[in-house]
Amino acid sequence: RKEVEQDPGPFNVPEGATVAFNCTYSNSASQSFFWYRQDCRKEPKLLMSVYSSGNEDGRFTAQLNRASQYISLLIRDSKLSDSATYLCVVNLAPLKLSYVKLTFGGGTRVLVKP
Amino acid sequence: EAGVAQSPRYKIIEKRQSVAFWCNPISGHATLYWYQQILGQGPKLLIQFQNNGVVDDSQLPKDRFSAERLKGVDSTLKIQPAKLEDSAVYLCASSLDAPGRVEETQYFGPGTRLLVL
Repeated sequence: RKEVEQDPGPFNVPEGATVAFNCTYSNSASQSFFWYRQDCRKEPKLLMSVYSSGNEDGRFTAQLNRASQYISLLIRDSKLSDSATYLCVVNLAPLKLSYVKLTFGGGTRVLVKP
Repeated sequence: EAGVAQSPRYKIIEKRQSVAFWCNPISGHATLYWYQQILGQGPKLLIQFQNNGVVDDSQLPKDRFSAERLKGVDSTLKIQPAKLEDSAVYLCASSLDAPGRVEETQYFGPGTRLLVL
């Protein structure tokens, strides 16, 4: 079983619609979670961190469910510019360590169409 | 603020040849990472340095891959000899870590696209 799993998609989304997708992780000791965005042939960039209470950044909402070991990302009012691959990232390093150990999922591809 | 710099941006070699990639992290960033991203997959960590020491190289194929970060600033990743399956994008990232504080946000460079024929 992979440490971080994502539905590869693509999710074809009409412009203005809402899309949501999940990511599951296998290590219950995982400490922190993130969503990165990667545009075609570009480097990944941090989209948002995921907090236990859930967090929102504009049209993007991230949720964490520790009991079921998954995180989710919801995009409201999708824009054409939201077309990208969304990478789920988990920090597997124990708290006592002085560094992070980020593990990336395979990514979920989102295509927003007019 | 200048971002993470990488060179070359593209490289085409034949199998069994050698290749080297260079990375210059964001100024002041103590931690430097090398990732391999195969087409259609997420980045996979190859090696992680904190200053000039190796923190994690558990996924580095040490029979052919090597990396160094002399003086704790820029870094080189070498493949010798290359195999067809090494065709990928090699991403360098850095993060700002301070004593007693771990910075989880990583900043990526544009990557080096390697094609092994």
